[in-house]
Amino acid sequence: QKEVEQNSGPLSVPEGAIASLNCTYSDRVSQSFFWYRQYSGKSPELIMSIYSNGDKEDGRFTAQLNKASQYVSLLIRDSQPSDSATYLCAVARDSNYQLIWGAGTKLIIKP
Amino acid sequence: NAGVTQTPKFQVLKTGQSMTLQCAQDMNHNSMYWYRQDPGMGLRLIYYSASEGTTDKGEVPNGYNVSRLNKREFSLRLESAAPSQTSVYFCASSEGPTGGQNEQFFGPGTRLTVL
Repeated sequence: QKEVEQNSGPLSVPEGAIASLNCTYSDRVSQSFFWYRQYSGKSPELIMSIYSNGDKEDGRFTAQLNKASQYVSLLIRDSQPSDSATYLCAVARDSNYQLIWGAGTKLIIKP
Repeated sequence: NAGVTQTPKFQVLKTGQSMTLQCAQDMNHNSMYWYRQDPGMGLRLIYYSASEGTTDKGEVPNGYNVSRLNKREFSLRLESAAPSQTSVYFCASSEGPTGGQNEQFFGPGTRLTVL
């Protein structure tokens, strides 16, 4: 079992709809959770971080964390073609500098 | 602020050649990282430096060495390049433990091909 798992996709979503991306992790002591966006040929860009159970909203993005079920999700409302990218989930353990990365989910927003 | 910069952007090497990838950050971050990214495998940590003067191995350190030259700069050296080291290399930095969280910020990457 991988430490951080994501569906590789591609996930195809119509423009204007909600895109839902999921990530599960295996280490119960994980404390910090991050979503990165990576356009093809570019470097990962941090879009959301979440540290406690519940929802965190930032513009069209909402991160959801459920530590009991060991999953974190990212919702993108009013999806735009510019949201088409690979979304990487990363998890950090307490007092550990390292992030454990999922392989990413490719998201395609269809006009 | 430039953030995290990397040089070179592209490099082609022959098997057995050596090279150094350079990374610098201007965010006054304590921690710096080197990753490689291969298709379908996500990001894998090669080495990291939690703070100036320290370096530690990550998940895939074999064939690489690093130097934390000062707080700003962290270099990655391939002593004898192999085709298996063909990859995209990313440098990243974060505030580190004194910053409380571990949000990492990435450079633009170096695309390395070893023939």
